[in-house]
Amino acid sequence: ELKVEQNPLFLSMQEGKNYTIYCNYSTTSDRLYWYRQDPGKSLESLFVLLSNGAVKQEGRLMASLDTKARLSTLHITAAVHDLSATYFCAVDMDSNYQLIWGAGTKLIIKP
Amino acid sequence: KAGVTQTPRYLIKTRGQQVTLSCSPISGHRSVSWYQQTPGQGLQFLFEYFSETQRNKGNFPGRFSGRQFSNSRSEMNVSTLELGDSALYLCASSLGLGAGQGYEQYFGPGTRLTVT
Repeated sequence: ELKVEQNPLFLSMQEGKNYTIYCNYSTTSDRLYWYRQDPGKSLESLFVLLSNGAVKQEGRLMASLDTKARLSTLHITAAVHDLSATYFCAVDMDSNYQLIWGAGTKLIIKP
Repeated sequence: KAGVTQTPRYLIKTRGQQVTLSCSPISGHRSVSWYQQTPGQGLQFLFEYFSETQRNKGNFPGRFSGRQFSNSRSEMNVSTLELGDSALYLCASSLGLGAGQGYEQYFGPGTRLTVT
C-alpha cells in the first residue's frame, strides 16, 4: 500500500526565513504533485514533478523530486506572510487512477 | 476558460436524508475525481471517473455513490446521511487519462455539507 508522509505537519516561522517541507512516499513512483490550500478554500496546483531530479521554481517556492530516495522537498525562501497556507503533496498511483495524498503541512508565517 | 464548478456550495441536511452533489469539470477534461476533506481525516479519495466509467473507488461505504454523464459532468450521492458525513466535498478534473497521469488536477470550490 502506498503511503505518503509529510513533515512537519505544522510549521510556524518568521518572515524572511528559509524552510523545507518534506514529502516521503513508500513505493516506486516518478510523478509527484504539490498543492496549496488557503483556509476555507479549495486546492490549487503548485508544481507537477514528472521525473527523477525534476526541479521547479515559482517565486519563493522551489520543489524537487528524488525518485530513488522516494522524497520530494518544497523549499521556501525568504518567507512572506502571503505564503501562509496548508501545503499538500500527492503521489501518482500509475495504474490505479488515484492520487495518494499526504496529510498536509500547515504553514504559518508571522510578520 | 471556466474552472471546475460545484453545486450547491453549502448544504445542511439531517441524519437519514440523502444528498446529491454536482460537479462540472473544465471543458475538455474527461477525468473527474471526488474527495472528502475533514479536519480529522484529511483529504480522502472517494472515486474517479473517466468517460462515464468509475475506475477506482476509495474506502467508503456503499452509501457513497457517483456517476458521470456523457458530457463529463459528475454527481455523487450519499444516502442515509450520518453525522460523520459532515465535510467539504471536493471535485477535481484533469486533462489526463485519469487522476494524475502527469497532469495536475483542477479543483472546484467544494460543497460544504453539514449533517445535523
